[in-house]
Amino acid sequence: QQQVKQSPQSLIVQKGGISIINCAYENTAFDYFPWYQQFPGKGPALLIAIRPDVSEKKEGRFTISFNKSAKQFSLHIMDSQPGDSATYFCAASRSGGFKTIFGAGTRLFVKA
Amino acid sequence: DTAVSQTPKYLVTQMGNDKSIKCEQNLGHDTMYWYKQDSKKFLKIMFSYNNKELIINETVPNRFSPKSPDKAHLNLHINSLELGDSAVYFCASSPIDRQETQYFGPGTRLLVL
Repeated sequence: QQQVKQSPQSLIVQKGGISIINCAYENTAFDYFPWYQQFPGKGPALLIAIRPDVSEKKEGRFTISFNKSAKQFSLHIMDSQPGDSATYFCAASRSGGFKTIFGAGTRLFVKA
Repeated sequence: DTAVSQTPKYLVTQMGNDKSIKCEQNLGHDTMYWYKQDSKKFLKIMFSYNNKELIINETVPNRFSPKSPDKAHLNLHINSLELGDSAVYFCASSPIDRQETQYFGPGTRLLVL
C-alpha cells in the first residue's frame, strides 16, 4: 500500500528529445505527487509537483501528467538537454502525514 | 546562504565505532527528517521530527538515535556501526503548512570499513 513504483530504471535520450518517466502508486490516501531531481554528489531538489485535482501541470520544459483512476503519473521533459542528466525520483505523500514515499529513481542521460 | 547544511560531508570509520552527523536548517521550518540513500540510490525515510518531537520512526535499529535540541537542528547519532550502515544520509526540512515539500541537505557519505 505504501509503495511507489517507478520506471524505467535508466533512460538515454538524444539532445532535443522527450524524456518520459512513469510512476504508479497504490495508496489512494496520497494527495501530493512531487518529482525530485538529484545531481551526483548533491541532495534531491524539488522539480515540480501535482495534486490529484488536476490532470496536468507544466513548468517550462517539465510536465507532470496525472491519471487518478489508473493511479499513475508521469514526468515529461521536453527538448531534453545534457544539463538534464540526473537521477529523477517520483514521490507520494499525504497532507499532514509527515512521510514521503519515494520511487526507486530513474537515471537519465541526455546525449549531446 | 545554505538552507539545509550537514556536517561532516564525508565520514570514514571502522566497524563498531560510534559517530554523529549534524544537520541545521535556516529556513524556519518546523519539520525535519533523516533519509538513507543506499548504493542503488534508493531513498528511504528514517525519522520525522516536528517541532523537536519524534513523529515517525521507520523501524530503524535502536543503534540510530536522532536528537533535536531545537527546531533548527536534527542530529543523528549511530552506535556500533555496521558495514550495512554505509550509505549517504540526507537531512531534510519542510514548512508546517507544506510538509509534503522537502528541502534536502547535501548529504553525508558514510563508509564503514
